[in-house]
Amino acid sequence: EVQLLESGGGLVQPGGSLRLSCAASGYTFSSYAVSWVRQAPGKGLQWVSGISGSGESTYYADSVKGRFTISRDNSKSTLYLQMNSLRVEDTAVYYCAKGPPVGVIIKNFDFWGQGTLVTVSS
Amino acid sequence: QSALTQPASVSGSPGQSITISCTGTSSDVGDYKYVTWYQQHPGKAPKLMIFDVSNRPSGVSNRFSGSKSGNTASLTISGLQAEDEADYYCSSYTSSSTLVVFGGGTKLTVL
Repeated sequence: EVQLLESGGGLVQPGGSLRLSCAASGYTFSSYAVSWVRQAPGKGLQWVSGISGSGESTYYADSVKGRFTISRDNSKSTLYLQMNSLRVEDTAVYYCAKGPPVGVIIKNFDFWGQGTLVTVSS
Repeated sequence: QSALTQPASVSGSPGQSITISCTGTSSDVGDYKYVTWYQQHPGKAPKLMIFDVSNRPSGVSNRFSGSKSGNTASLTISGLQAEDEADYYCSSYTSSSTLVVFGGGTKLTVL
């Protein structure tokens, strides 16, 4: 059974930093790309960042480029998102989302974690 | 403002069929066969319902179907059931640096 368990969310002041983690199990982690997708309270979904199965290729939404860094440790089946220079508008539930398999462009997500809430406020 | 445009809400009675539209541009929906639909119940994670315009993952009811014409994709749910009441989001691969764009979501109410 596929499981994605996010952690690391919390309350942080504007300009601060936070590191999110996503522990994966139930599938061969290195064989799939993984992404972070966020959802502001009461709002829609927004893709934030994605990383290839090997970790060699990373992708970012324009709104977070230069502030967020995605990485993965395939030996630990864990995905990370380092978030710096946080803004109030970064407040959201951050979901870890699996897929597609290696060799396929990042175009959809076949399984999602339950999310972790990041609140940026003074 | 979301990149893809969806109606804010739709409704239907049990047993009826409804269709949710998703309008993009020639840089996303119109240029790629990579439209995806997700279902999200309140407080829950999104669930993949349709991928690559019209394909259903294993385990998703055949009451759900997808299609695309030009820059507009559609999700049709036939034989509405109470459990279908949820938010539905479309997404598409895009040629921009933002790989995936989402619609603003549509709240489906089963009357």
